Amino acid sequence: RKEVEQDPGPFNVPEGATVAFNCTYSNSASQSFFWYRQDCRKEPKLLMSVYSSGNEDGRFTAQLNRASQYISLLIRDSKLSDSATYLCVVLASGSARQLTFGSGTQLTVLP
Amino acid sequence: NAGVTQTPKFRILKIGQSMTLQCTQDMNHNYMYWYRQDPGMGLKLIYYSVGAGITDKGEVPNGYNVSRSTTEDFPLRLELAAPSQTSVYFCASGPRGHLNSPLHFGNGTRLTVT
Repeated sequence: RKEVEQDPGPFNVPEGATVAFNCTYSNSASQSFFWYRQDCRKEPKLLMSVYSSGNEDGRFTAQLNRASQYISLLIRDSKLSDSATYLCVVLASGSARQLTFGSGTQLTVLP
Repeated sequence: NAGVTQTPKFRILKIGQSMTLQCTQDMNHNYMYWYRQDPGMGLKLIYYSVGAGITDKGEVPNGYNVSRSTTEDFPLRLELAAPSQTSVYFCASGPRGHLNSPLHFGNGTRLTVT
């Protein structure tokens, strides 16, 4: 089983749609969780951290369920500029901040 | 601040050749990492360093070596290039202590081994 698994996608949605991405992780000792965004042939960039109580940043909402080892990202009112690959990222316990990346889910927002 | 700078951006190697991928950061970050990303896949950790003089293997270290003689620089060495090392390589850095701080990535090096 992969350490971090994501919906394979791709997701093709019209502008204005709401889209949700799911992610599961296998290491119950994982302590921090993130969503990164990666544009085509570019480096990953942090989209948002994911907190236990859930958190929102504008049109983006992230949720964490530690009992189920499940993370989600909801994008509301999607824009053309949201087209990218979304990477679920988990920080293993330990002192070196070793991040484990999911394979990513590709999103294309269509006009 | 330039952030994380990687060179070269692109490189084509023949099987058996060697090369060094350079990475430098000017943010005084303790932690530095090398990842590789194969097409359609997530990033896999090759090596990492928690400070000058300290390096450790990640998930996929075979065929690579690193050194960390200064806080700023973290070069990745390929000694005998193989086609399986064709990939995009990302260097990243992060500060110590703040678990939710983002990692800062370089722009990547696209390596083809033929």
